[in-house]
Formats: sequence, structure tokens, C-alpha cells
Amino acid sequence: DAKTTQPNSMESNEEEPVHLPCNHSTISGTDYIHWYRQLPSQGPEYVIHGLTSNVNNRMASLAIAEDRKSSTLILHRATLRDAAVYYCILRGDFFGNEKLTFGTGTRLTIIP
Amino acid sequence: GAVVSQHPSWVICKSGTSVKIECRSLDFQATTMFWYRQFPKQSLMLMATSNEGSKATYEQGVEKDKFLINHASLTLSTLTVTSAHPEDSSFYICSAPARVPGELFFGEGSRLTVL
Repeated sequence: DAKTTQPNSMESNEEEPVHLPCNHSTISGTDYIHWYRQLPSQGPEYVIHGLTSNVNNRMASLAIAEDRKSSTLILHRATLRDAAVYYCILRGDFFGNEKLTFGTGTRLTIIP
Repeated sequence: GAVVSQHPSWVICKSGTSVKIECRSLDFQATTMFWYRQFPKQSLMLMATSNEGSKATYEQGVEKDKFLINHASLTLSTLTVTSAHPEDSSFYICSAPARVPGELFFGEGSRLTVL
């Protein structure tokens, strides 16, 4: 699977938007971009994923660059409960490829 | 609510003993489950893929005789850490594929401490 690069940590003020960047310059045409987050002492949880177009769901938005070499996870209004490690993961689209390879992620701290 | 449940959530054992961790899919069937391990301040490392009715597939460097995986039913996979040692102390997390390709449901994790 292609590699992703994320900042080790970020801080944001509560109730403000947060933009979490991810670089994936070696992404292939069939790689999906997935975002998961892991709250302290818990298993990860799915946030969002996309291929080429920007995506929105109740948790976040995913903005994908036109060349697909980078993406940004957007939390529109951060709360203290959003403090977590956020992982940007690429997954090749082929039959039976369900497993995910986690990188180091970005530790997001929310300042009250 | 949780759709993948792990038990126990934490366990402390003596060195040399074996520990079994269960991973259950709730209200759905999972022919495949994944086991991850996470050391403090580190990311998740995939250990193995559990396949219902067949042998597990282990990642490179993971000892299959040390980490026994059994996927006897469509809703249960177990990981047994045999002859545990302090270096096996870690956070073990299982996951199962959701209906959406690429989306995984993760369990709450099981924290193992070997004394």
C-alpha cells in the first residue's frame, strides 16, 4: 500500500474548524483514502473515506486534491470529544483487500 | 452501540501463562477478522487475518505458534497468547469488515499486562 505522511500533532481551539492534512504523493489510481480516529484507550473508529470527489458525512468532510496527492480531513466545529489520533490510510481497491495498514497518525489536541 | 465486542477489556497474568482474548461480531457475520497490536505511543500493527473455517494468515514477523488464532464461527474469533512474557504486554484490538468496502468495525481493545 502507498505511504501517507501526516503531521505528528496539531492543536485547535474548541468550537473552531480543524483541518487535518495528509500527503500521499505515491497514491495509485485505484487507492481509496480512508480516515479513522482513535480516542484514548479505545479501538479506532471509521470517520470517512473517498476516492476522487470530496465527501461529507455527519462526522466530517474530506477534501481531496485534484491530483489526489493530498487530502484534508475537516472537522467543522471541534469539540473536546474530538481529541484523538487521526489516521489517514490508503487502501487498494481489489477483491478481498479489507485490511488496513495504519501509519503514525496525527494527535489532535483540543484546547477548551 | 458497539458492533464488535472484545473480552476481556483488560487482563493481568503471570509470565508463562496463556491468555485468550475473544472478539465477537454483534448482529452481523464476519468471515474475516483482523487482529492488531498496539504498544504505548505507537500505531496499530496488523498481526494476522482470521478466516472462518480455515487457518489464519499471519503478517511477517508474527509467530503463529505464539499467537494462536481460531475463527470457529461466523461471529467469534479468538486470539490466544501462549506462554506470555512481559514483552507481550500490549493493547490487542480486533476488527471486522463492515458492508462498506474498506470500512472496518473495531473492538474496544484488550489490554494485556504480563508480570
